[in-house]
Amino acid sequence: DIVMTQSPDSLAVSLGERATINCKSSQSVLYSSNNKNYLAWYQQKPGQPPKLLIYWASTRGSGVPDRFSGSGSGTDFTLTITSLQAEDVAVYYCQQYYSSPYTFGQGTKLEIK
Amino acid sequence: EVQLVESGGGLVQPGGSLRLSCAASGFTFSTYWMSWVRQAPGKGLEWVASIDQDGSEKYYVDSVKGRFTISRDNAKNSLYLQMNSLRAEDTAVYYCARVTWFFDLWGRGTLVTVSS
Repeated sequence: DIVMTQSPDSLAVSLGERATINCKSSQSVLYSSNNKNYLAWYQQKPGQPPKLLIYWASTRGSGVPDRFSGSGSGTDFTLTITSLQAEDVAVYYCQQYYSSPYTFGQGTKLEIK
Repeated sequence: EVQLVESGGGLVQPGGSLRLSCAASGFTFSTYWMSWVRQAPGKGLEWVASIDQDGSEKYYVDSVKGRFTISRDNAKNSLYLQMNSLRAEDTAVYYCARVTWFFDLWGRGTLVTVSS
C-alpha cells in the first residue's frame, strides 16, 4: 500500500498570508507513460463532505479560486494557499489514485492565527 | 442539479448488517466508476470500495473484504454498499463519491454506528 504522510498536522496562518501544506508518498505516484502524477487534494470544512481542490497534482478543480495551487512530482507534493481567506479554514487531505487501495494523508488542519 | 444523496445509515449491533444506498442525479451515472469513502468520528478519510461502470470490476480495502459488497443499478441511478458482520471500527460517516480517477463529486454522507 502507498502511505501518504502530510506535514504539518496543523497550521495557523494570518489572514492574507501564505499557507503551505506538504504531502509525501511512500512510493512514486508518477505514471511514466503519460507523465502524470496521480495525486489529488481535498478541502473539508466542518460539517461538510470533502471537496475536490486539485487533481493531477496541479490542476484546479471546477470553481476553485486561483489562490489555491498544487505542485510537486514523484513522491513530494505541496498545496499552497496564497492570501489566506477566513473561508479557507478547513482540513486538507492529499490522496493518491495511482494504485488500490486509494489512500489519503492523515489531514492538515488549517486555522487562522 | 448534479448530486449524490446517501441513505440507509443508522445504529446497528456488532455482527449485524446494513445496506447503504446512494442516489445519483444530474449526470449520466452509468458512465462513471463510483466509490464509497468513510470517515470515523474525528478521524481522516478512508477509501472503502470502488465499482466500474457495469459492475464487473470491484475493489475493496483489505479491512472490509469478505464483509462488504459494493453494487450498482444503472437503471435506478443508484449505488449500494451491503455491510455484513459489522464491527465497532466500522462506525463512520459513509460518503458516496463519483470517480474520475479522483473523487470529483461527493454526497453529504450517512452515519453508521455499530454499538451494543
